[in-house]
Amino acid sequence: GENVEQHPSTLSVQEGDSAVIKCTYSDSASNYFPWYKQELGKGPQLIIDIRSNVGEKKDQRIAVTLNKTAKHFSLHITETQPEDSAVYFCAATHGSSNTGKLIFGQGTTLQVKP
Amino acid sequence: GAGVSQSPSNKVTEKGKDVELRCDPISGHTALYWYRQRLGQGLEFLIYFQGNSAPDKSGLPSDRFSAERTGESVSTLTIQRTQQEDSAVYLCASSERSGQPQHFGDGTRLSIL
Repeated sequence: GENVEQHPSTLSVQEGDSAVIKCTYSDSASNYFPWYKQELGKGPQLIIDIRSNVGEKKDQRIAVTLNKTAKHFSLHITETQPEDSAVYFCAATHGSSNTGKLIFGQGTTLQVKP
Repeated sequence: GAGVSQSPSNKVTEKGKDVELRCDPISGHTALYWYRQRLGQGLEFLIYFQGNSAPDKSGLPSDRFSAERTGESVSTLTIQRTQQEDSAVYLCASSERSGQPQHFGDGTRLSIL
């Protein structure tokens, strides 16, 4: 079945460094790729998303890139801050469905050390 | 309220009991989704509602799980005869319509003793 793989599972960086999280998806019909940040005891918060007709999108310190041919997409966080510490999830739409239901990666725990 | 609201925030119950979880979507959002998140894992899709269309129940893990939504309002997820493997956080999300960004509530943490 369709799946999304996410790497690494944990990532530790020094404050001010960049962090990169990578995901691959299996369904070539997937067309929407959101990224969520989840803090302890909270629901996932949408931080950035990209659609399949776009290769890159930026929002301040956060950027996402998409390679449709290779079926992978990445989250880039620059100038990391301690408050960026959280679990990050990538997701992709279930391509053969028009419901917009999402298939999630297993998450990356990001720790930013002051 | 401004966001998706879920209740209760925590639920502890004994194995074999039924539980009902509630989700209030963002006003005006026609699409509503339920997901399950086991400890340390990603989210698993359970069920989707869009207006008065037939729901997509393809993610429900067994016939002990059911959900309802009346129109574009509140949804309830019911788990009958709970088992220990049902312990998880149950998350609800809504979007303006299918294919649009999904916004999540903070979930119900369900613990089965």
